[in-house]
Amino acid sequence: EVQLVQSGAEVKKPGESLKISCKGSGYTFTTYWIGWVRQMPGKGLEWMGTIYPGDSDTRYSPSFQGQVTISADKSINTAYLQWSSLKASDTAIYYCARRDMTTEHFDYWGQGTLVTVSS
Amino acid sequence: DIQMTQSPSTLSASVGDRVTITCRASQSISTWLAWYQQKPGKAPKLLIYKASNLKNGVPSRFSGSGSGTEFTLTVSSLQPDDFATYYCQQYTSSPLTFGGGTNVEIK
Repeated sequence: EVQLVQSGAEVKKPGESLKISCKGSGYTFTTYWIGWVRQMPGKGLEWMGTIYPGDSDTRYSPSFQGQVTISADKSINTAYLQWSSLKASDTAIYYCARRDMTTEHFDYWGQGTLVTVSS
Repeated sequence: DIQMTQSPSTLSASVGDRVTITCRASQSISTWLAWYQQKPGKAPKLLIYKASNLKNGVPSRFSGSGSGTEFTLTVSSLQPDDFATYYCQQYTSSPLTFGGGTNVEIK
């Protein structure tokens, strides 16, 4: 059974750094892209970027390029999303999702990680 | 960027109703379109990919159609479990973009 299990909720202050994780199981982690999707409170879905864990090839949405870093550690089947300096506007739920092998829809999703940034 | 526009943004319906949601792309995306269902407090779930292909395990009352710039998601007979928000997503070009969502609520 394909599963993506994300790390737990975080409460941070503006300016702090953060790295959240997404662990894949039930499939060959290195052969499927993993994407990250943001959902701000009460809002829709926004694609942030995607990584191929096999070689760490990473693509970013222009809206998020330079704002976050996506990485992966294939030895432990885990993808990451990190911020070096959080802002209040980063408050959102962040989902990881597995991209289909041949096209770019997302066939399995993690449960989401709520990130709250508040002073 | 390709803009995805869903209509309506909210839809009130009753159990047993036939429901149709429309998604329009700002330029042609062929059939590179997916539909997702999201319930409150839960992650989105894939329903349909490549415009009309039902994901394994998704009830057959869901169907998708369209190509180019206009697409529809239809629920043939709405069930209690179907009250949720639905999103379309294009994946013909980067950045991947989602529609704004359609909230299907109980009438």
